[in-house]
Amino acid sequence: DSGVTQTPKHLITATGQRVTLRCSPRSGDLSVYWYQQSLDQGLQFLIQYYNGEERAKGNILERFSAQQFPDLHSELNLSSLELGDSALYFCASSPVPGGWTGNTIYFGEGSWLTVV
Amino acid sequence: AQSVAQPEDQVNVAEGNPLTVKCTYSVSGNPYLFWYVQYPNRGLQFLLKYITGDNLVKGSYGFEAEFNKSQTSFHLKKPSALVSDSALYFCAVRDRERDDKIIFGKGTRLHILP
Repeated sequence: DSGVTQTPKHLITATGQRVTLRCSPRSGDLSVYWYQQSLDQGLQFLIQYYNGEERAKGNILERFSAQQFPDLHSELNLSSLELGDSALYFCASSPVPGGWTGNTIYFGEGSWLTVV
Repeated sequence: AQSVAQPEDQVNVAEGNPLTVKCTYSVSGNPYLFWYVQYPNRGLQFLLKYITGDNLVKGSYGFEAEFNKSQTSFHLKKPSALVSDSALYFCAVRDRERDDKIIFGKGTRLHILP
Protein backbone atom coordinates (compact mmCIF):
# COMPACT_ATOMS: atom_id res chain seq x y z
CA ASP A 1 0.00 0.00 0.00
CA SER A 2 1.54 3.27 -1.19
CA GLY A 3 -0.55 5.48 1.09
CA VAL A 4 -2.14 7.34 -1.83
CA THR A 5 -5.91 6.89 -1.87
CA GLN A 6 -8.06 7.32 -4.94
CA THR A 7 -11.83 7.23 -5.26
CA PRO A 8 -13.84 5.93 -6.94
CA LYS A 9 -12.04 2.79 -8.08
CA HIS A 10 -14.42 2.25 -10.96
CA LEU A 11 -16.79 4.61 -12.72
CA ILE A 12 -19.06 4.15 -15.72
CA THR A 13 -20.67 7.18 -17.24
CA ALA A 14 -22.22 8.37 -20.49
CA THR A 15 -20.74 10.62 -23.13
CA GLY A 16 -21.23 14.30 -22.44
CA GLN A 17 -21.27 13.82 -18.69
CA ARG A 18 -18.95 15.21 -16.03
CA VAL A 19 -17.12 13.27 -13.33
CA THR A 20 -14.81 14.09 -10.45
CA LEU A 21 -11.96 11.86 -9.36
CA ARG A 22 -10.58 12.30 -5.88
CA CYS A 23 -7.10 11.76 -4.50
CA SER A 24 -5.70 11.85 -0.98
CA PRO A 25 -1.90 12.00 -1.00
CA ARG A 26 0.39 10.22 1.44
CA SER A 27 0.56 11.82 4.83
CA GLY A 28 2.96 14.75 4.67
CA ASP A 29 3.24 14.86 0.90
CA LEU A 30 2.69 18.31 -0.57
CA SER A 31 2.85 17.46 -4.26
CA VAL A 32 0.12 15.71 -6.20
CA TYR A 33 0.38 14.49 -9.79
CA TRP A 34 -2.30 13.22 -12.15
CA TYR A 35 -1.60 10.74 -14.94
CA GLN A 36 -3.79 9.10 -17.54
CA GLN A 37 -3.07 5.55 -18.68
CA SER A 38 -4.65 4.25 -21.84
CA LEU A 39 -3.74 1.35 -24.08
CA ASP A 40 -2.73 3.45 -27.06
CA GLN A 41 -1.15 6.45 -25.29
CA GLY A 42 0.69 4.80 -22.43
CA LEU A 43 1.11 6.81 -19.23
CA GLN A 44 0.52 10.50 -19.90
CA PHE A 45 1.34 13.24 -17.40
CA LEU A 46 -1.62 15.57 -16.96
CA ILE A 47 -0.88 18.06 -14.21
CA GLN A 48 0.98 18.63 -10.94
CA TYR A 49 0.10 20.66 -7.87
CA TYR A 50 2.28 21.67 -4.97
CA ASN A 51 0.72 22.90 -1.76
CA GLY A 52 -2.37 24.16 -3.57
CA GLU A 53 -0.63 25.77 -6.52
CA GLU A 54 -0.33 24.44 -10.04
CA ARG A 55 3.30 23.49 -10.63
CA ALA A 56 3.52 21.79 -14.00
CA LYS A 57 1.15 21.04 -16.83
CA GLY A 58 1.28 18.24 -19.35
CA ASN A 59 -1.10 16.92 -21.94
CA ILE A 60 -4.25 17.92 -20.11
CA LEU A 61 -7.28 18.69 -22.26
CA GLU A 62 -9.19 21.93 -21.78
CA ARG A 63 -12.24 19.83 -20.82
CA PHE A 64 -10.24 18.60 -17.82
CA SER A 65 -9.33 20.60 -14.76
CA ALA A 66 -7.82 19.90 -11.39
CA GLN A 67 -7.25 21.55 -8.07
CA GLN A 68 -5.56 20.88 -4.77
CA PHE A 69 -7.34 21.91 -1.61
CA PRO A 70 -5.93 23.31 1.67
CA ASP A 71 -6.03 19.83 3.23
CA LEU A 72 -3.86 18.74 0.25
CA HIS A 73 -6.34 16.38 -1.31
CA SER A 74 -6.84 16.86 -5.02
CA GLU A 75 -9.66 16.47 -7.48
CA LEU A 76 -9.55 15.92 -11.22
CA ASN A 77 -12.65 17.09 -13.03
CA LEU A 78 -13.44 15.63 -16.43
CA SER A 79 -16.26 17.19 -18.39
CA SER A 80 -18.01 16.73 -21.75
CA LEU A 81 -16.75 13.19 -21.65
CA GLU A 82 -15.97 11.34 -24.85
CA LEU A 83 -15.48 7.66 -25.52
CA GLY A 84 -11.78 8.28 -25.89
CA ASP A 85 -11.54 9.52 -22.31
CA SER A 86 -12.00 5.97 -21.08
CA ALA A 87 -8.80 5.20 -19.24
CA LEU A 88 -7.17 4.53 -15.92
CA TYR A 89 -6.46 7.78 -14.08
CA PHE A 90 -3.67 7.73 -11.54
CA CYS A 91 -2.86 10.11 -8.78
CA ALA A 92 0.63 10.17 -7.30
CA SER A 93 2.25 12.15 -4.53
CA SER A 94 5.69 13.13 -3.30
CA PRO A 95 6.97 15.20 -0.37
CA VAL A 96 8.37 18.16 -2.27
CA PRO A 97 8.65 19.05 -5.88
CA GLY A 98 12.02 19.69 -7.27
CA GLY A 99 14.57 18.00 -9.30
CA TRP A 100 17.11 18.87 -6.69
CA THR A 101 15.77 16.13 -4.45
CA GLY A 102 14.90 13.55 -7.07
CA ASN A 103 12.11 12.44 -4.83
CA THR A 104 10.21 9.39 -5.72
CA ILE A 105 6.54 9.74 -6.49
CA TYR A 106 4.15 7.16 -5.12
CA PHE A 107 1.08 6.06 -7.03
CA GLY A 108 -2.44 5.26 -5.96
CA GLU A 109 -4.29 2.26 -7.34
CA GLY A 110 -6.06 4.36 -9.95
CA SER A 111 -9.62 5.17 -10.97
CA TRP A 112 -11.01 3.22 -13.90
CA LEU A 113 -13.22 5.45 -16.01
CA THR A 114 -15.40 3.93 -18.68
CA VAL A 115 -17.37 6.26 -20.94
CA VAL A 116 -20.22 4.60 -22.81
CA ALA B 1 11.67 18.48 -23.61
CA GLN B 2 12.10 15.31 -21.64
CA SER B 3 11.40 11.99 -23.25
CA VAL B 4 11.86 8.32 -22.51
CA ALA B 5 12.05 5.47 -24.98
CA GLN B 6 11.49 1.84 -24.19
CA PRO B 7 12.25 0.17 -27.51
CA GLU B 8 10.68 -3.19 -26.71
CA ASP B 9 6.95 -3.61 -26.22
CA GLN B 10 7.50 -7.09 -24.81
CA VAL B 11 10.43 -9.12 -23.53
CA ASN B 12 10.27 -12.89 -23.03
CA VAL B 13 12.77 -14.58 -20.75
CA ALA B 14 12.99 -18.11 -19.41
CA GLU B 15 12.82 -18.47 -15.65
CA GLY B 16 16.28 -18.50 -14.12
CA ASN B 17 17.85 -16.59 -16.99
CA PRO B 18 19.11 -13.02 -16.69
CA LEU B 19 16.78 -10.31 -17.91
CA THR B 20 17.27 -6.83 -19.33
CA VAL B 21 14.61 -4.23 -20.03
CA LYS B 22 15.95 -1.35 -22.06
CA CYS B 23 15.44 2.37 -21.55
CA THR B 24 16.94 5.45 -23.14
CA TYR B 25 16.17 9.00 -22.19
CA SER B 26 16.51 12.56 -23.34
CA VAL B 27 16.67 15.63 -21.11
CA SER B 28 18.30 19.00 -21.54
CA GLY B 29 19.99 18.87 -18.17
CA ASN B 30 20.97 16.15 -15.76
CA PRO B 31 18.45 13.41 -15.16
CA TYR B 32 16.87 11.68 -12.30
CA LEU B 33 15.88 8.23 -13.56
CA PHE B 34 13.32 5.79 -12.20
CA TRP B 35 11.93 2.32 -12.79
CA TYR B 36 8.40 1.36 -11.80
CA VAL B 37 6.52 -1.92 -12.09
CA GLN B 38 2.80 -2.38 -12.64
CA TYR B 39 1.01 -5.64 -11.89
CA PRO B 40 -2.42 -6.29 -13.42
CA ASN B 41 -5.13 -3.96 -12.15
CA ARG B 42 -2.72 -2.25 -9.78
CA GLY B 43 -0.96 1.08 -9.49
CA LEU B 44 2.68 1.63 -10.29
CA GLN B 45 5.17 0.51 -7.68
CA PHE B 46 8.56 2.14 -7.31
CA LEU B 47 11.52 -0.19 -7.97
CA LEU B 48 14.62 1.97 -7.98
CA LYS B 49 16.05 5.34 -8.93
CA TYR B 50 19.28 6.97 -9.99
CA ILE B 51 20.06 10.34 -8.45
CA THR B 52 23.82 10.65 -8.41
CA GLY B 53 26.91 8.66 -7.55
CA ASP B 54 27.39 5.01 -8.38
CA ASN B 55 26.11 4.21 -11.84
CA LEU B 56 24.81 0.83 -10.71
CA VAL B 57 21.67 1.20 -8.66
CA LYS B 58 20.12 -1.65 -6.70
CA GLY B 59 16.41 -1.76 -5.98
CA SER B 60 13.54 -3.90 -4.83
CA TYR B 61 13.02 -7.59 -5.63
CA GLY B 62 16.62 -8.10 -6.77
CA PHE B 63 16.43 -5.62 -9.63
CA GLU B 64 19.23 -3.29 -10.54
CA ALA B 65 19.80 -0.69 -13.23
CA GLU B 66 22.86 0.84 -14.79
CA PHE B 67 23.09 4.50 -15.65
CA ASN B 68 25.16 5.18 -18.75
CA LYS B 69 25.50 8.88 -19.41
CA SER B 70 27.30 8.58 -22.74
CA GLN B 71 24.60 6.29 -24.13
CA THR B 72 21.79 8.07 -22.25
CA SER B 73 20.53 4.72 -21.09
CA PHE B 74 19.18 3.27 -17.87
CA HIS B 75 18.57 -0.44 -18.50
CA LEU B 76 16.85 -2.55 -15.88
CA LYS B 77 18.44 -5.89 -15.07
CA LYS B 78 18.06 -8.93 -12.90
CA PRO B 79 20.51 -11.85 -12.75
CA SER B 80 17.89 -14.59 -12.46
CA ALA B 81 14.28 -14.05 -13.51
CA LEU B 82 11.28 -15.36 -11.60
CA VAL B 83 7.84 -16.08 -13.01
CA SER B 84 6.51 -13.57 -10.48
CA ASP B 85 8.54 -10.85 -12.24
CA SER B 86 6.06 -10.95 -15.11
CA ALA B 87 4.53 -7.47 -15.23
CA LEU B 88 4.59 -4.14 -17.05
CA TYR B 89 7.74 -2.10 -16.44
CA PHE B 90 8.03 1.65 -16.87
CA CYS B 91 11.13 3.76 -17.11
CA ALA B 92 10.79 7.44 -16.15
CA VAL B 93 12.90 10.59 -16.17
CA ARG B 94 12.84 13.88 -14.35
CA ASP B 95 14.97 16.85 -15.41
CA ARG B 96 16.78 18.22 -12.37
CA GLU B 97 17.05 21.75 -13.63
CA ARG B 98 13.57 22.21 -15.02
CA ASP B 99 10.11 21.58 -13.68
CA ASP B 100 9.12 18.63 -11.63
CA LYS B 101 7.04 16.41 -13.84
CA ILE B 102 8.19 12.87 -14.29
CA ILE B 103 7.83 11.57 -17.83
CA PHE B 104 7.24 7.87 -18.39
CA GLY B 105 8.07 5.57 -21.25
CA LYS B 106 5.32 3.52 -22.88
CA GLY B 107 6.19 0.49 -20.83
CA THR B 108 7.65 -2.94 -21.56
CA ARG B 109 5.72 -6.09 -20.81
CA LEU B 110 7.99 -8.69 -19.29
CA HIS B 111 6.98 -12.35 -19.65
CA ILE B 112 8.93 -14.88 -17.64
CA LEU B 113 8.40 -18.34 -19.03
CA PRO B 114 8.39 -21.25 -16.57
